[in-house]
Amino acid sequence: AQSVTQLGSHVSVSEGALVLLRCNYSSSVPPYLFWYVQYPNQGLQLLLKYTSAATLVKGINGFEAEFKKSETSFHLTKPSAHMSDAAEYFCAKWGGGNKLTFGTGTQLKVEL
Amino acid sequence: DSGVTQTPKHLITATGQRVTLRCSPRSGDLSVYWYQQSLDQGLQFLIQYYNGEERAKGNILERFSAQQFPDLHSELNLSSLELGDSALYFCASSRDSRYWDTQYFGPGTRLTVL
Repeated sequence: AQSVTQLGSHVSVSEGALVLLRCNYSSSVPPYLFWYVQYPNQGLQLLLKYTSAATLVKGINGFEAEFKKSETSFHLTKPSAHMSDAAEYFCAKWGGGNKLTFGTGTQLKVEL
Repeated sequence: DSGVTQTPKHLITATGQRVTLRCSPRSGDLSVYWYQQSLDQGLQFLIQYYNGEERAKGNILERFSAQQFPDLHSELNLSSLELGDSALYFCASSRDSRYWDTQYFGPGTRLTVL
């Protein structure tokens, strides 16, 4: 069973519009969740992480994510998209076996 | 720049061959992780080393092996290569091996098997 599901492999928004990238997880224990960004021809960079402190997590570049246990979700948002946000975004969960499990990724396109 | 370096950047080889990918972690980081990113399988964790010892294992094939040396750099060895091994291989490092430690990723090595 997929333990991290990202809904929408491609998301397109207009510059200045809200960005919403969806991530749902499955876990029998409190999860530790992460969002990473991958710019073209580069490695992954951590945007933010949830480690059971505050449910609303603020990250770099104006991104934030809210952990909702009742919905098993950890969606990534940004109030106003910028052209430089165009990249691939990965949700990940730290789980059994002491490892990170990644979702399939969401390609974000920002249009003028 | 994450501070993690990987060499080579690109590698083209033939089926049946063996290659070695090298990773130097950020200064002071003790953990090294290897990941494979392919169109078929997405991003998958392969293996983790912490201060020279294997700490965790993921979906790593028996044809693949890794090690971490006393200077903390790591090598991933891929042998009897198949077409399906073509992928981007990332190395990441972290200060320790706890779940909350941020992993810093290198730029990757793109392996093409012909």
